[in-house]
Formats: sequence, structure tokens, C-alpha cells
Amino acid sequence: NAGVMQNPRHLVRRRGQEARLRCSPMKGHSHVYWYRQLPEEGLKFMVYLQKENIIDESGMPKERFSAEFPKEGPSILRIQQVVRGDSAAYFCASSPDQSSYEQYFGPGTRLTVT
Amino acid sequence: AQSVTQLDSQVPVFEEAPVELRCNYSSSVSVYLFWYVQYPNQGLQLLLKYLSGSTLVESINGFEAEFNKSQTSFHLRKPSVHISDTAEYFCAVSDLRGAQKLVFGQGTRLTINP
Repeated sequence: NAGVMQNPRHLVRRRGQEARLRCSPMKGHSHVYWYRQLPEEGLKFMVYLQKENIIDESGMPKERFSAEFPKEGPSILRIQQVVRGDSAAYFCASSPDQSSYEQYFGPGTRLTVT
Repeated sequence: AQSVTQLDSQVPVFEEAPVELRCNYSSSVSVYLFWYVQYPNQGLQLLLKYLSGSTLVESINGFEAEFNKSQTSFHLRKPSVHISDTAEYFCAVSDLRGAQKLVFGQGTRLTINP
């Protein structure tokens, strides 16, 4: 049973470009979480999604950031018009159902904005 | 809302010495407590968790943590560390509803010196 998959592992974008980060949850998991880790900081929650639904986006910046988890395919975190401050590691985690307390993390995507 | 404080950003210790990584939390409701470990350039792995029952929980690689409700703490300890324990350690909480976001501390970088 493969773990949580994230791609790409490393992404370099110039200021103003778009970044698309993908997350495939563990098999059988229908809940996905995105976290951001800024340099020298802990992880900060961004968004929690179920298939085709955003459940909690209280940690998402109001502009330029969006997330989706379609019925088919991976979850996508999209950052439009990236700025240097978006440089961070973005981690995805998944859990099997609504009552689960445990989240399984992917290896992360390290975004560098030049 | 919850918050987590890890008082030490870096902890250097010698191999085979004991170590304690401190974690305090604040919450108006009961919480689940977790320790995650992040090895260099990798994602987070669950080290141990407290959900209910015995306040002392153990991991398979010799770490233990004790939940202290009166002091709102969940300190992580190991009696004898190994070079392979070098990593960043994150304390986290979630509320009891399940399938909820994790709130992380800032992390403690444990460095083991030979």
C-alpha cells in the first residue's frame, strides 16, 4: 500500500508564475490536508478537503491560493503569481475517514521562488 | 483554539546521553497529543500519540512521552540517544472531534554528537 505521494518534490518558479502542487492520498483515504512549513518554523495548517468539498480553509491566504480535491485524481494546491514569501515546504497529509485522528504525511514539495 | 509551544528550538546532546524535549499546549477543550519526527529532507512520521488511558506512551524506538493534564505538557524523553535520532521533532495537538487539523509547535532540532 503506497504512502502519500506528492509531486514534484522540488519546484522552482520565478516571481509571477503559477505553482501547482499535487498530492495523491493513501489508497482508501478520502480526506486530505495541506500544511506549509516556512523556513525555521513549524507546520501551519492551510486547508482540509474531502472529495469534491472544501471542509476547512481557515489557514489559506485570502488571495492567490486555491485547493481542490476532485472526484478523480490527486488533490491540487495552486498558487498564482508566486512571490518570494511563498518559498516553503508544502506537505500533504491524508486520513481515511471523518473519525480518524491520525494523519499520514507525504514527503513534501519544496517550492523555491526566484 | 489550540496552541503548542516547544520551548527549545535546538537541543544538542552526546550519544548515549538522555534527552528531554519539552512541549506545552493550550486548549479550551480536551485534545489528542502527538509527536512527529522529521528526518532531513523527508516528510513527517508519527512517533507516538496520546489519545486516552495511560498517560505514559512509548514508541518502538525507545522514546516515551507523558501527558500531564495539570501542567498541560507532553514532554518527549529518551534515556539513551543514538546518532540516528538526529532529526527535527514536532509536538502537535488536535481536538477530539477527529479528522481535524493538527496544530504544531515550532519544532525542536535534536543534534546528537559522537
